[in-house]
Amino acid sequence: DTAVSQTPKYLVTQMGNDKSIKCEQNLGHDTMYWYKQDSKKFLKIMFSYNNKELIINETVPNRFSPKSPDKAHLNLHINSLELGDSAVYFCASSQGSSGGAGELFFGEGSRLTVL
Amino acid sequence: SQQGEEDPQALSIQEGENATMNCSYKTSINNLQWYRQNSGRGLVHLILIRSNEREKHSGRLRVTLDTSKKSSSLLITASRAADTASYFCATAGRASGSARQLTFGSGTQLTVLP
Repeated sequence: DTAVSQTPKYLVTQMGNDKSIKCEQNLGHDTMYWYKQDSKKFLKIMFSYNNKELIINETVPNRFSPKSPDKAHLNLHINSLELGDSAVYFCASSQGSSGGAGELFFGEGSRLTVL
Repeated sequence: SQQGEEDPQALSIQEGENATMNCSYKTSINNLQWYRQNSGRGLVHLILIRSNEREKHSGRLRVTLDTSKKSSSLLITASRAADTASYFCATAGRASGSARQLTFGSGTQLTVLP
């Protein structure tokens, strides 16, 4: 009964391809996120959705497009993959609170390698 | 932009010793959180301390927060080999629009030698 699950865990693909990573949470949370972790382990937020609505969209190339069909799912589609997109992508969820971000629950990560 | 910075970047200790990691941040916060990441795994939440709290305990973990110095520390007592992991601090801002966004530091790699 995994709380936040993302697939695939590993993704190896050629430059220029389009790929998707899927994320689902069964915690009943209303907010979901995508984070990117680079080779130096620096973790940067990319997007955040609250009840299917985009609330955070950091400076990310528009080749990255998140889609939230319902509040339990947040998928990430990447067009025209580039070498610099190689990283580990983490999905996370939290329950909204009045005053500050609460605890985040992370998935296990999807390691994307672009050749 | 990166908010928190952990110090040291890497720490190696013997089993049974205490490990202390520090985090400094730049802007006003609502709360500060610590996470652990085992190699090849996702991040796991350890503890949350609010801006009006100064110290918090959870098992072998002790977190302090000094908002005047914009810094926090994580102490792990009686460390075990299983504590080997990367530890990250993350801050939730006060500014409008940043309330739901956690900004992570660069992490401290802790190695506990048996």
